[in-house]
Amino acid sequence: DAKTTQPNSMESNEEEPVHLPCNHSTISGTDYIHWYRQLPSQGPEYVIHGLTSNVNNRMASLAIAEDRKSSTLILHRATLRDAAVYYCILGEDTGNQFYFGTGTSLTVIP
Amino acid sequence: NAGVTQTPKFQVLKTGQSMTLQCAQDMNHEYMSWYRQDPGMGLRLIHYSVGAGITDQGEVPNGYNVSRSTTEDFPLRLLSAAPSQTSVYFCASSSGQKNTEAFFGQGTRLTVV
Repeated sequence: DAKTTQPNSMESNEEEPVHLPCNHSTISGTDYIHWYRQLPSQGPEYVIHGLTSNVNNRMASLAIAEDRKSSTLILHRATLRDAAVYYCILGEDTGNQFYFGTGTSLTVIP
Repeated sequence: NAGVTQTPKFQVLKTGQSMTLQCAQDMNHEYMSWYRQDPGMGLRLIHYSVGAGITDQGEVPNGYNVSRSTTEDFPLRLLSAAPSQTSVYFCASSSGQKNTEAFFGQGTRLTVV
């Protein structure tokens, strides 16, 4: 399975935008790019996913590079509740059999 | 709508004991899976199922058994617990359809002494 590379940690000030990068240079043509986050002491929760085009939902935006070898999760205005570990995961469209890395731990500074 | 329910939330076992971690979902999802998360690490896939009667191994299946007799339930069995199985266990489900998300339970924290 193709792997992803993310920074171990990032910080953001509250109410400012956050750009979380992910590199996936060995992505296959059928791999979706999924983002999940894990709040402290909770199970992962879905954030967003996409295949080729940029995606927006109520939680975030996903910007996918034209060659699909990297992507960026954008939180438009970070809140304290957004402090979590964010995982970028490649997988087929089934939403199953995910291979998690260590993710990016986001700290939001009041 | 309960989503994915895991029981128990906490469990302490002695080495060599057996137990079953329960996972149930009420969303009529075909796909279910079990992960374990060790401190400071991401989740690792143990076993998964794409429908009732069908299971397969993930990254770290040794020491664990699963079965899927119904769509709703996907129990994880530890036959002879070892301290190395001390971890937080998460169950997940998804419809398996395109463009859908996976739902995770709140986890079971297992300690083997």
